[in-house]
Amino acid sequence: DVKVTQSSRYLVKRTGEKVFLECVQDMDHENMFWYRQDPGLGLRLIYFSYDVKMKEKGDIPEGYSVSREKKERFSLILESASTNQTSMYLCASSSPSRNNSPLHFGNGTRLTVT
Amino acid sequence: SQQGEEDPQALSIQEGENATMNCSYKTSINNLQWYRQNSGRGLVHLILIRSNEREKHSGRLRVTLDTSKKSSSLLITASRAADTASYFCVNSNSGYALNFGKGTSLLVTP
Repeated sequence: DVKVTQSSRYLVKRTGEKVFLECVQDMDHENMFWYRQDPGLGLRLIYFSYDVKMKEKGDIPEGYSVSREKKERFSLILESASTNQTSMYLCASSSPSRNNSPLHFGNGTRLTVT
Repeated sequence: SQQGEEDPQALSIQEGENATMNCSYKTSINNLQWYRQNSGRGLVHLILIRSNEREKHSGRLRVTLDTSKKSSSLLITASRAADTASYFCVNSNSGYALNFGKGTSLLVTP
């Protein structure tokens, strides 16, 4: 079974801090994704990556950046955390087939910015 | 956008009953996928149906696809309390990324 591991289940940070959310997958997947999930808004795509050192903006990239230095690891960076970035963050990965591959999700990181 | 829209937003049934959720989309698709999310957890892939398929089964799950109406339905038969979760549909066209809707929240009571 594919395992996608997010480094923290819960995280509390202060406004203005630089925050790193880490995600590791163990199935040699090419594609990796970061979503945030908020009540009433569903899941929204922040960034995705289809190869090492490659990244693409999703629907809501503002205030975030990403890093993909190794195939198995995809990091989401909040350059200067703000209270409106309090959310559940979900990482996912999928195999190289662009159209027919299901996403495998981690269990999420619930981030609170105070 | 490739976002699917689920309907109803919330559904409450008793154990043993069937649950039906619907999904509509706007663009042409290669396939449509359904996911489940238990409270506070990540999403789990349930089933994928390709655009040239009309119906697909997996255990107690039955998915239908009507490309002429741009809609899909997920039927869970003989529901159990453990089926309580949110269910999402997402369609894939030609892009890498899948965009999810707000989901249907299913509550199954004993």
